[in-house]
Amino acid sequence: DTEVTQTPKHLVMGMTNKKSLKCEQHMGHRAMYWYKQKAKKPPELMFVYSYEKLSINESVPSRFSPECPNSSLLNLHLHALQPEDSALYLCASSGHRTDTQYFGPGTRLTVL
Amino acid sequence: SQKIEQNSEALNIQEGKTATLTCNYTNYSPAYLQWYRQDPGRGPVFLLLIRENEKEKRKERLKVTFDTTLKQSLFHITASQPADSATYLCASRNTGGFKTIFGAGTRLFVKA
Repeated sequence: DTEVTQTPKHLVMGMTNKKSLKCEQHMGHRAMYWYKQKAKKPPELMFVYSYEKLSINESVPSRFSPECPNSSLLNLHLHALQPEDSALYLCASSGHRTDTQYFGPGTRLTVL
Repeated sequence: SQKIEQNSEALNIQEGKTATLTCNYTNYSPAYLQWYRQDPGRGPVFLLLIRENEKEKRKERLKVTFDTTLKQSLFHITASQPADSATYLCASRNTGGFKTIFGAGTRLFVKA
């Protein structure tokens, strides 16, 4: 199974809402990633978890809060977002000793 | 800073022809380069990885080359089909880290 799943597929939220994005993989990968992608731009790395520990935070605003409850799950908690945070949010995973990242289908987020 | 550049924003070709996409890297020597396909609103899908000591790699109608002298990778799709229309991303990992650097992507349009 080389699948990364993400829920929800689409999310519309107001600037005062709190919501969460979820990501799951069952490939035994120990590295998981959150990316943000704007239209016609490449994915931008937000966070990297390695062995359930946060190893990279690319200076992401605190209104984005990642969480890795176990080796298969990755969450991104959202609070007080801005309209410019509207984008496609991608989750990916990779084996710790391999280079290829497997991406989920993404969550299309719209902030009103 | 370490950069991956794909100098064609878009490429239009006729069905049956070979599509050639270019990826150049600057300010570092990646140990490998990867190519991903991305369809609109979806996550990138891994296609091929080529290491610096490999000159060429093939997978079905796909071929990738790696020229460390020119600091360039070429990605070829032979006998192209309309279904090959997508954005193709070149990527590599930064030296010694978990961060993947993506090129801006080339949108390929294959006309029937």
